[in-house]
Amino acid sequence: DQQVKQNSPSLSVQEGRISILNCDYTNSMFDYFLWYKKYPAEGPTFLISISSIKDKNEDGRFTVFLNKSAKHLSLHIVPSQPGDSAVYFCAASASNTGNQFYFGTGTSLTVIP
Amino acid sequence: DVKVTQSSRYLVKRTGEKVFLECVQDMDHENMFWYRQDPGLGLRLIYFSYDVKMKEKGDIPEGYSVSREKKERFSLILESASTNQTSMYLCASSSGTFDGETQYFGPGTRLLVL
Repeated sequence: DQQVKQNSPSLSVQEGRISILNCDYTNSMFDYFLWYKKYPAEGPTFLISISSIKDKNEDGRFTVFLNKSAKHLSLHIVPSQPGDSAVYFCAASASNTGNQFYFGTGTSLTVIP
Repeated sequence: DVKVTQSSRYLVKRTGEKVFLECVQDMDHENMFWYRQDPGLGLRLIYFSYDVKMKEKGDIPEGYSVSREKKERFSLILESASTNQTSMYLCASSSGTFDGETQYFGPGTRLLVL
């Protein structure tokens, strides 16, 4: 059973506009969330994270929002650039399961120049 | 910078062959992980290890085994490869010093089983 879900397999956005990638989870014990970016033929690279004690974390063009009551997080990329085109995975972990991460199925973002 | 390396980028094997995938990390990390990535299924955890000679099953361990004889090296073994094990295999490591820390990934091995 998928505990972390990304319901949009793909997303296309014009360069300069905002990209919003969504992620839902079912396990209320999750208390740490991450976004990874993956280019073809490469391993995922860490992008940004958020702890459950926060509802927002910002790093440059990337902002992650966490809504614990809705069990939902989102990644905002502003402004979107062609180099942001990649597959984005959200991941979640719970303190009581150590460092085991649960990954979503990924959203393929295409930023159109 | 953390570096996680995987022994091969691409592998082609025949059904029934024994396959070894090797992963090495250079940051003295305690934790190491093996995932497979398939379209529409995301990353699924096969096995992980919190210490040398220690292993734990992930979500899909069937058909796989692992070995961690040294802290920096974590091997994934397919005892008898099957076509449904054709996939992208990703190794990751993390320091193990606190909960919820980042995992660092290798470049992946794309395995084709014929």
